[in-house]
Amino acid sequence: EDQVTQSPEALRLQEGESSSLNCSYTVSGLRGLFWYRQDPGKGPEFLFTLYSAGEEKEKERLKATLTKKESFLHITAPKPEDSATYLCARGIREKLTFGTGTRLTIIP
Amino acid sequence: DAGVIQSPRHEVTEMGQEVTLRCKPISGHDYLFWYRQTMMRGLELLIYFNNNVPIDDSGMPEDRFSAKMPNASFSTLKIQPSEPRDSAVYFCASRAQGVSGNTIYFGEGSWLTVV
Repeated sequence: EDQVTQSPEALRLQEGESSSLNCSYTVSGLRGLFWYRQDPGKGPEFLFTLYSAGEEKEKERLKATLTKKESFLHITAPKPEDSATYLCARGIREKLTFGTGTRLTIIP
Repeated sequence: DAGVIQSPRHEVTEMGQEVTLRCKPISGHDYLFWYRQTMMRGLELLIYFNNNVPIDDSGMPEDRFSAKMPNASFSTLKIQPSEPRDSAVYFCASRAQGVSGNTIYFGEGSWLTVV
């Protein structure tokens, strides 16, 4: 069965302390690996799409990378406003299947 | 663009009552998705439409759930009768056909509590 697994479930970092979130998947026919950010009480907000192993994309303090079986979301020198739940999803055909997310807390 | 618009934002209802959630997708988008989010199961796809036609409803949990899309700018998700285990956040999302990839844009969600 196709699965998307995210780790860790929760992560607390000091402001400025860099780290990475992991998303691993088992799937054939992958049509994109997606990262979303979700703030409390809000809908998921699109961040990145990656299609090929070796691909990287950046936005402010976030960088997403992709290998054949996993993706990483690297956060560099995070700020308190980066606190959110980060969701990854794999695309297949027209659908997205989501992992359960990593709840990131940045402590000032 | 106003984004995906959902209503109501919050609904509290009694068990056995009918619940109707509404969605207006982004103008020009050809795909519409209904997701449900719970703490235990995360985000689950319930059903999606392409050009107003239901394509895959395999995620709809029971016959109590139904969804319609009478036109390109409106969709409903109905639960009848509602049960406490239906309590969740229901998200509507949309995307454009022909755009590279599957980037899906979400609404703010409808928070449903069934007591």
